[in-house]
Amino acid sequence: KAGVTQTPRYLIKTRGQQVTLSCSPISGHRSVSWYQQTPGQGLQFLFEYFSETQRNKGNFPGRFSGRQFSNSRSEMNVSTLELGDSALYLCASSWRMNTEAFFGQGTRLTVV
Amino acid sequence: QQPVQSPQAVILREGEDAVINCSSSKALYSVHWYRQKHGEAPVFLMILLKGGEQKGHEKISASFNEKKQQSSLYLTASQLSYSGTYFCGTFGPLTGGGADGLTFGKGTHLIIQP
Repeated sequence: KAGVTQTPRYLIKTRGQQVTLSCSPISGHRSVSWYQQTPGQGLQFLFEYFSETQRNKGNFPGRFSGRQFSNSRSEMNVSTLELGDSALYLCASSWRMNTEAFFGQGTRLTVV
Repeated sequence: QQPVQSPQAVILREGEDAVINCSSSKALYSVHWYRQKHGEAPVFLMILLKGGEQKGHEKISASFNEKKQQSSLYLTASQLSYSGTYFCGTFGPLTGGGADGLTFGKGTHLIIQP
């Protein structure tokens, strides 16, 4: 079956702009989590959605937001981009919380 | 709160053993282990759900000490394919408001040399 799909794979944005990233989970998976990965910081948890509800949120400013649709697809939005937002953003899906997570290939965001 | 992994990096010769530790300052409900190779997505290795639980995956196994809030990943007779960054992820106990999200440590870089 198809894996987790993230689009786009690469993005270049200018400071102050906003960006929307998309994640299509594995069919049947209802939990979607988002992570920011930067060198030296590992995988930083952004938020987790389950059945269209945000269940958990990491320690990120309010500029980072997300949502999940009825088909479990998820989007995350970053407004007023800063240079420090440059990172690999990974999405992971699982059939429910606290089970094996399958990661997408990520979206590489560069803010200039 | 992010779990702490040690060591940060380790270099081994093929066939040697390695231990990667993961500790948390908060109570844990479960511990997850993942491996990420350069340029690839993290891949699931195993989940430990109960204190005292041990699991094995080929020559890779792990233990979970719930009371000490610690987990260790054991790689025996390492192979070149084991190279990568290993992440432990911790999941807090269920609360009335829901569970903490899966929070990862900063990772341990493992390099296996021939």
